[in-house]
Amino acid sequence: TQLLEQSPQFLSIQEGENLTVYCNSSSVFSSLQWYRQEPGEGPVLLVTVVTGGEVKKLKRLTFQFGDARKDSSLHITAAQPGDTGLYLCAGGSGTYKYIFGTGTRLKVLA
Amino acid sequence: EAGVAQSPRYKIIEKRQSVAFWCNPISGHATLYWYQQILGQGPKLLIQFQNNGVVDDSQLPKDRFSAERLKGVDSTLKIQPAKLEDSAVYLCASSLWTGLSYEQYFGPGTRLTVT
Repeated sequence: TQLLEQSPQFLSIQEGENLTVYCNSSSVFSSLQWYRQEPGEGPVLLVTVVTGGEVKKLKRLTFQFGDARKDSSLHITAAQPGDTGLYLCAGGSGTYKYIFGTGTRLKVLA
Repeated sequence: EAGVAQSPRYKIIEKRQSVAFWCNPISGHATLYWYQQILGQGPKLLIQFQNNGVVDDSQLPKDRFSAERLKGVDSTLKIQPAKLEDSAVYLCASSLWTGLSYEQYFGPGTRLTVT
């Protein structure tokens, strides 16, 4: 059974701080996605990485896919209150199917 | 472009009652997913359709849950009879093949409370 463990589970930081969220598995994935979910809404796709070692940047967010395609990280620089939410990684392997991680709940205090 | 629509947004029922959720995916998206999300956790896939055929329903509790996608567009998910542990948000998503991966677009979800 494929599992994606995220750490930390909860993170509360002050505005302006940097943070990193990790997504780890013992399984190899063909692609890895990161989503952000706000209360009362569905997850929204932030990025997809497909190549081992790939790094993508989205404004203050930096995403990295591990060389072996088993893990990924999300780094946020100078966090803002608008970054608050539940961050989810999702690993894709094979046709259509994605396995979601356990989630990291981030709260950025003003 | 309209997003994924779901209804109802909220539902409260007593245990042993039945309930149905409806989803209308983004036009042209062949793949449709139903997920169950327990509060604070990641979504768990219940069933996945490709057009009107089931691709994966390995985690669907088939003794009480059923889903259909007639004509390969709208979908309904039914629970009968409901249990207390079915209290969760039920998310519908549809996806688009980008050439490298499937990008999923989620609806707002239906929050189910079973009392």
